[in-house]
Amino acid sequence: SQTIHQWPATLVQPVGSPLSLECTVEGTSNPNLYWYRQAAGRGLQLLFYSVGIGQISSEVPQNLSASRPQDRQFILSSKKLLLSDSGFYLCAWTLGFRGYTFGSGTRLTVV
Amino acid sequence: DQQVKQNSPSLSVQEGRISILNCDYTNSMFDYFLWYKKYPAEGPTFLISISSIKDKNEDGRFTVFLNKSAKHLSLHIVPSQPGDSAVYFCAASIIPTSGTYKYIFGTGTRLKVLA
Repeated sequence: SQTIHQWPATLVQPVGSPLSLECTVEGTSNPNLYWYRQAAGRGLQLLFYSVGIGQISSEVPQNLSASRPQDRQFILSSKKLLLSDSGFYLCAWTLGFRGYTFGSGTRLTVV
Repeated sequence: DQQVKQNSPSLSVQEGRISILNCDYTNSMFDYFLWYKKYPAEGPTFLISISSIKDKNEDGRFTVFLNKSAKHLSLHIVPSQPGDSAVYFCAASIIPTSGTYKYIFGTGTRLKVLA
């Protein structure tokens, strides 16, 4: 069966520090991968998606970047975190139809 | 511009009664809709979906209704149970001819079912 792993579960980082969040999917090949963010009082905002290795589409301009170095690995990064980057980050995958399967999320607090 | 709106941030319902969660959208091109349920500190889990060719879809205690002319969908939970207490998100997408689904999510409604 397919599973999605996302870590860490919580992270507290100072302003200006770098960020790397990792997401991996097991049990499937060539999934479509997504990064979403839920900020306080907001809905789930799509940040990036990828339909294949090295293929990244950005939905909103921001302080973040994404990479897909392997078929089932999706990484969210930042060189210098801002306070506004705080939120709950979710990785998700789909095989191209219907809905997503989400990971358990990372709660990022930038202080 | 919020294309998918859930105007009720919270809802309280007595156990055993019906819970009705509402969602409005502005983009008439949306043709596939989902409801997700989210517990604190967890990722959302898929609940039920509906295509724009239907106006109703049922799965056990959960029914989703779609009114395309009003650009409105609703989720009915009957009977409501304390374990249903969670945040519910609706999401909408255009079925892609190529590429991938990109769902737009609402801001969520926190449902509290009182025992």
